[in-house]
Amino acid sequence: GIQVEQSPPDLILQEGANSTLRCNFSDSVNNLQWFHQNPWGQLINLFYIPSGTKQNGRLSATTVATERYSLLYISSSQTTDSGVYFCAVGYRKLGTNAGKSTFGDGTTLTVKP
Amino acid sequence: EAGVTQFPSHSVIEKGQTVTLRCDPISGHDNLYWYRRVMGKEIKFLLHFVKESKQDESGMPNNRFLAERTGGTYSTLKVQPAELEDSGVYFCASSRRSWTGSNEQFFGPGTRLTVL
Repeated sequence: GIQVEQSPPDLILQEGANSTLRCNFSDSVNNLQWFHQNPWGQLINLFYIPSGTKQNGRLSATTVATERYSLLYISSSQTTDSGVYFCAVGYRKLGTNAGKSTFGDGTTLTVKP
Repeated sequence: EAGVTQFPSHSVIEKGQTVTLRCDPISGHDNLYWYRRVMGKEIKFLLHFVKESKQDESGMPNNRFLAERTGGTYSTLKVQPAELEDSGVYFCASSRRSWTGSNEQFFGPGTRLTVL
């Protein structure tokens, strides 16, 4: 199956700093999503980004599908950004309607005040 | 619109008992997925429904797990009998379109299952 690797596994920042999280995947995919798992364990959708670049406030993401990677940028980090960031790639079984997402292990971000 | 909901939020049972988890997808979403995260490891796919039809259940760990989606609306995931290694967080997700188009998945808050 598809392998998804996220880096770094852990990241500690001072409030106000910028950061880049990376997601590499081993094969072609139909879609890619970034999630933030908040302290209550909920997975919050950040971006649906199979290719290209999107921005939402202080967050932006870029996926280069041909090179099989995606980047999540967090600017001017805040303590509320702390949590685990997951990348998930989705793909469909050829000739079927069956699909699934494979998650990376996540990047644990800690933003200190 | 309401998001994906899951019930219960937390369940504590003893080994050998039965537990049923419920997921209500976003209204109008034909695709429903179950995932789980056990032992703090990665989130893993369990199965995929399109309406009431199972499309892929390759991630179901064994025959102690049974998922249903009667009528193509809500889904249940039954674990019978539960084992210690089943402890973890069970997530449900739904998406609107088929895999030929946008397939953004929206996740529920999860059910934390603890087997003692």
